[in-house]
Amino acid sequence: AQTVTQSQPEMSVQEAETVTLSCTYDTSENNYYLFWYKQPPSRQMILVIRQEAYKQQNATENRFSVNFQKAAKSFSLKISDSQLGDTAMYFCAFRDSNYQLIWGAGTKLIIKP
Amino acid sequence: DVKVTQSSRYLVKRTGEKVFLECVQDMDHENMFWYRQDPGLGLRLIYFSYDVKMKEKGDIPEGYSVSREKKERFSLILESASTNQTSMYLCATTLPRGETQYFGPGTRLTVL
Repeated sequence: AQTVTQSQPEMSVQEAETVTLSCTYDTSENNYYLFWYKQPPSRQMILVIRQEAYKQQNATENRFSVNFQKAAKSFSLKISDSQLGDTAMYFCAFRDSNYQLIWGAGTKLIIKP
Repeated sequence: DVKVTQSSRYLVKRTGEKVFLECVQDMDHENMFWYRQDPGLGLRLIYFSYDVKMKEKGDIPEGYSVSREKKERFSLILESASTNQTSMYLCATTLPRGETQYFGPGTRLTVL
């Protein structure tokens, strides 16, 4: 069975620092997508960044970037110059060949002023 | 922008009641999903639908049913609510083969 593991239930950093959230997954598939979603307090879940497994280049979206290590089945999210608005639950997800998402348990990230 | 709305943000029901949670999207997406979100467990798929009148069981369908009579509307039904169904329920949509799921604001259901 495919699984997604987020080993950090909660993290906190000071504003403007860089923080890395870890995610590992297990699959026998070769082509797939990986995602990081963000759920701010009392607000809707939104996509932060996605990575296609066949692309070797790590995805980047402004202050958000990933470190995708396919052989190690690792997909970490780096947030640079963290802001108060980055405080949220962050979920790592894997999309299987049936186009369904398998989710990690989430990491609660707190940005302190 | 894709807009996904859910009928209630907060809902309190009694054990044994029939509960309807409704999700409406305005982007003509074929695929719609119902998840429940519990602390430490992430999101778990209850049911999904690829088209009108079509439904597929997800990972935890027991105690739930769904209805999709129109493309834009996907309803989750708790036939007889139980306290272990107290949770946050999230609806999501996506295009066929779409990479991104778009979520509604969620309904926090409490069953007393």
